[in-house]
Amino acid sequence: QMTQSPSSLSASVGDRVSITCRASEAIDNFLHWYQQKPGKAPKLLIYDVSTLQNGVPSRFSGSGSGTEFTLTISGLQPEDSAIYYCQQSYFTPPKTFGQGTKVEIK
Amino acid sequence: EVQLVQSGAEVKKPGESLKISCQAFGYSFSTYWIGWVRQKPGEGLEWMGIIYPDDSDVRYNPSFRGAVSFSVDKSTNTAYLQWTSLRTSDTAMYFCARHRGYCSGGSCYLDNWGQGTLLTVS
Repeated sequence: QMTQSPSSLSASVGDRVSITCRASEAIDNFLHWYQQKPGKAPKLLIYDVSTLQNGVPSRFSGSGSGTEFTLTISGLQPEDSAIYYCQQSYFTPPKTFGQGTKVEIK
Repeated sequence: EVQLVQSGAEVKKPGESLKISCQAFGYSFSTYWIGWVRQKPGEGLEWMGIIYPDDSDVRYNPSFRGAVSFSVDKSTNTAYLQWTSLRTSDTAMYFCARHRGYCSGGSCYLDNWGQGTLLTVS
């Protein structure tokens, strides 16, 4: 099971924001992050904890190990308003998603 | 450029059958797992399972096993998600997604997504 916190947050442009994803058991480094904007398909941001997908801005970063992982946006931009999901692939099936964190811009 | 193009929105009645499609372009279809993700209105993402086109090996999320089935047509680079008897609770957006990595257990992430197929059962 994957648990994200917070469920939602509101921050200003330029802020540094962090989203936490906790696994019920250790998942090695098989943790991935996605961004979903309203009415759109999710988009892969980071895989294997900290590897940035091609084309993703460097203000996005990931860290963590074992059961606790963090997605950080350093210098929040208006276009970062979205829902962010973590996903584990250590246990299969299923490759469980977290419940999502909604990021809003103040 | 990798592209996954899904079939259009569907409106069906309970008990009806349905098959939706996801056609892949721009990569070797047979050698990547391709899977399905459900998103009910206003809710999060649910991983339904994956299929390996080369040999049609399928891994279902236990929550969906028996309710849906996956198939592929390698001649058209198309993956399918099928229901034999729809329920109102199947109303959702369904995304197909290419999976990259070692998807039998290990690093496996969804690197390319279709645009989604909206299914309404009413």
